[in-house]
Amino acid sequence: DAGVTQSPTHLIKTRGQQVTLRCSPKSGHDTVSWYQQALGQGPQFIFQYYEEEERQRGNFPDRFSGHQFPNYSSELNVNALLLGDSALYLCATGLGAGETQYFGPGTRLLVL
Amino acid sequence: GESVGLHLPTLSVQEGDNSIINCAYSNSASDYFIWYKQESGKGPQFIIDIRSNMDKRQGQRVTVLLNKTVKHLSLQIAATQPGDSAVYFCAEIKGNTPLVFGKGTRLSVIA
Repeated sequence: DAGVTQSPTHLIKTRGQQVTLRCSPKSGHDTVSWYQQALGQGPQFIFQYYEEEERQRGNFPDRFSGHQFPNYSSELNVNALLLGDSALYLCATGLGAGETQYFGPGTRLLVL
Repeated sequence: GESVGLHLPTLSVQEGDNSIINCAYSNSASDYFIWYKQESGKGPQFIIDIRSNMDKRQGQRVTVLLNKTVKHLSLQIAATQPGDSAVYFCAEIKGNTPLVFGKGTRLSVIA
């Protein structure tokens, strides 16, 4: 039973660039949430996708967008990267929005 | 707003001793609570969860206690091992709202 997978594992970008991160959910899971985790902090909720629609959104600007595909996998896109976007980006999946979520290994993004 | 917080930022424990990590929450309407373990450079790993209608739940070497009267959650790890060294987060879920995390407690196991 495959767990949550994310790609790439690491990424280096420069300010102003755009980035796309990918997440494949744990088998049987249909809900995908994205979190940003700065060093030494707890994960901060970005948004959640269910049935290919954004259902909830945290306090993040429109530069952060996403998509969910029919196979439940998801992408996180960040435009016009800022130095402050450097963080570990985590994907968490679950069966339904209000159930326990399981995290992937994360993508470490460094913006120079 | 509602929040989940942790009492202590760091905890050092001798190998073989029991560890207790505490968490305070403010949203009494939460449906359940989850403990995650996060090792350096990795994503949070699910440890155990407990629904709000329960007081105690046990897993392998771990026990979660929920005291709704004082809005307190604890994670007990029996016979702590070096592999238990990590940052531990508690998180809560209410309905379909996203997980709310605290900053975490760093557990260091002294061999």
